[in-house]
Amino acid sequence: GNSVTQMEGPVTLSEEAFLTINCTYTATGYPSLFWYVQYPGEGLQLLLKATKADDKGSNKGFEATYRKETTSFHLEKGSVQVSDSAVYFCALRWTDSWGKLQFGAGTQVVVTP
Amino acid sequence: NAGVTQTPKFQVLKTGQSMTLQCAQDMNHEYMSWYRQDPGMGLRLIHYSVGAGITDQGEVPNGYNVSRSTTEDFPLRLLSAAPSQTSVYFCASSYSRTSGRIYEQYFGPGTRLTVT
Repeated sequence: GNSVTQMEGPVTLSEEAFLTINCTYTATGYPSLFWYVQYPGEGLQLLLKATKADDKGSNKGFEATYRKETTSFHLEKGSVQVSDSAVYFCALRWTDSWGKLQFGAGTQVVVTP
Repeated sequence: NAGVTQTPKFQVLKTGQSMTLQCAQDMNHEYMSWYRQDPGMGLRLIHYSVGAGITDQGEVPNGYNVSRSTTEDFPLRLLSAAPSQTSVYFCASSYSRTSGRIYEQYFGPGTRLTVT
């Protein structure tokens, strides 16, 4: 069946460090891919998305590229801030799935001053 | 717009009790869904609805009921609470796929439920 695998956290890094969170998926066909962010005590917010192979999603300094050949959608940010401390979820969704999202387990990121 | 609202924010139940988690949206979204969030497991889909009067099961529907009598509201009912239902529950909504586009899902702030 379909699945989404994320690197385990927590990931702890210093301010201005480079962040990578790995995400791979197994699925037949070509789903849309998403990164959601959850700040402490809040619901999930869409961070970025990509709907076809080689698409690059970007937002707030974060980027992720839809790699069909490696079935991956790794999240990157060149210089993190303390305010980026949150839990990040990778997710996939089929166009004809009426919006149903399949999530990875989430990766907690802690950025220290 | 208030977006997606959920009540209550916190709830403690005893085993066997029943309750309803409320979810409402004011964006005229056709699609609404309920997820539960458990440590190390991400979010899992409980039930979803593609419009008023239409609901369907997700990945983990057992022990939960839903109904969709209006576009705005999508309550989740726990019929007989069990400790395994201790979790954080999120409601989400979006436009439907009728235009073929992928629309963003908007999430509510969540309800933290503890069953003792």
